[in-house]
Amino acid sequence: EAQVTQNPRYLITVTGKKLTVTCSQNMNHEYMSWYRQDPGLGLRQIYYSMNVEVTDKGDVPEGYKVSRKEKRNFPLILESPSPNQTSLYFCASSRGTSGRMQDEQFFGPGTRLTVL
Amino acid sequence: LAKTTQPISMDSYEGQEVNITCSHNNIATNDYITWYQQFPSQGPRFIIQGYKTKVTNEVASLFIPADRKSSTLSLPRVSLSDTAVYYCLVGDAAGWGGKLIFGQGTELSVKP
Repeated sequence: EAQVTQNPRYLITVTGKKLTVTCSQNMNHEYMSWYRQDPGLGLRQIYYSMNVEVTDKGDVPEGYKVSRKEKRNFPLILESPSPNQTSLYFCASSRGTSGRMQDEQFFGPGTRLTVL
Repeated sequence: LAKTTQPISMDSYEGQEVNITCSHNNIATNDYITWYQQFPSQGPRFIIQGYKTKVTNEVASLFIPADRKSSTLSLPRVSLSDTAVYYCLVGDAAGWGGKLIFGQGTELSVKP
């Protein structure tokens, strides 16, 4: 089944304890992205990657790191989490560019993170 | 990327047709319009995409006037399960660069 998976789905941690949220897709997609969603603020893009070894900042990259060493995986790293990073996180992937159309993005199930 | 403006929320009743309008005054010639649907605690799901006039699929219709400064997502005969947040995005893959702006979306509440 074509899908985007994220792990863990739920995580409660404490301030300053490094954590990684994994994201994997099995559709051979070029493009991957991370979003956070907070009440009243909608979905905001954190980082994105157009291809392996190519990453760039979205709208809210502060406090996050990413890496894209292989096409299928795009982990989100919080080196020193803080309470303001408590949020619902979504990973997404898409085929990339196809002509002049914006490709459909496929989203993972989400990771609910709480930083105490 | 063109900025979009949508109503924050809308209410409807089962069986009615719902129209959600998105304003995108600065849409560029190469931009496409895409709509996503998001249920609570789930990731957004692609609904429909168009460039001009009308597009229809099994879920919705998308109406785009000639000036393309707005678009309307039409959901026929909604049911309780259509209660969700709907996002309008405008962008062009060629000059896309990968950055996408979802905004706050429109929260649709369907009542019995």
